[in-house]
Amino acid sequence: AQSVTQPDIHITVSEGASLELRCNYSYGATPYLFWYVQSPGQGLQLLLKYFSGDTLVQGIKGFEAEFKRSQSSFNLRKPSVHWSDAAEYFCAVGRGSQGNLIFGKGTKLSVKP
Amino acid sequence: EAGVAQSPRYKIIEKRQSVAFWCNPISGHATLYWYQQILGQGPKLLIQFQNNGVVDDSQLPKDRFSAERLKGVDSTLKIQPAKLEDSAVYLCASSVDPGQGYNEQFFGPGTRLTVL
Repeated sequence: AQSVTQPDIHITVSEGASLELRCNYSYGATPYLFWYVQSPGQGLQLLLKYFSGDTLVQGIKGFEAEFKRSQSSFNLRKPSVHWSDAAEYFCAVGRGSQGNLIFGKGTKLSVKP
Repeated sequence: EAGVAQSPRYKIIEKRQSVAFWCNPISGHATLYWYQQILGQGPKLLIQFQNNGVVDDSQLPKDRFSAERLKGVDSTLKIQPAKLEDSAVYLCASSVDPGQGYNEQFFGPGTRLTVL
């Protein structure tokens, strides 16, 4: 069965520090992979996606993610975190051609001044 | 471009009562999704429509949940009767059409349901 694991429930980083959020997936075929961000009281906003091709993908707000097939991972990174990045981050895998998503449980990011 | 609209934003009901949520997708989007997001978890798909037909409702608790998208545009999700464990945020999303590729899903702000 397809699944997404985000091992870190809560991460705190200092403003200006680098960030890496981990995501591991289980999927039988080539996955469609996504990172979404959710601010309090808001819906989900797409940060970036991977369908095929270059395994390093760039997204909005300075985020990037790297697809590593051998590790079944799709980790999200940002070189310098801003206070406004505090939110919850969800990794998701797209299930085949149907289009619906399977989400991880999320990682809550707190940013220290 | 207007985003996905949902109403109400918040709802508090007693257990065993009924409740309905409404979603209006982005204009022209053929596919509509309802997700349930329980506190501390990621969203879980309840039902997916393409136009006015159901594509996937395998995780919809059909004994109490129902959804419709009669004209292939807006949609209503109903719970009757509600249970305590239905307390969650209900998210609606839409996409152009999965078709042969994959299209981004755009999410609404959600409806937060509290069942007392």
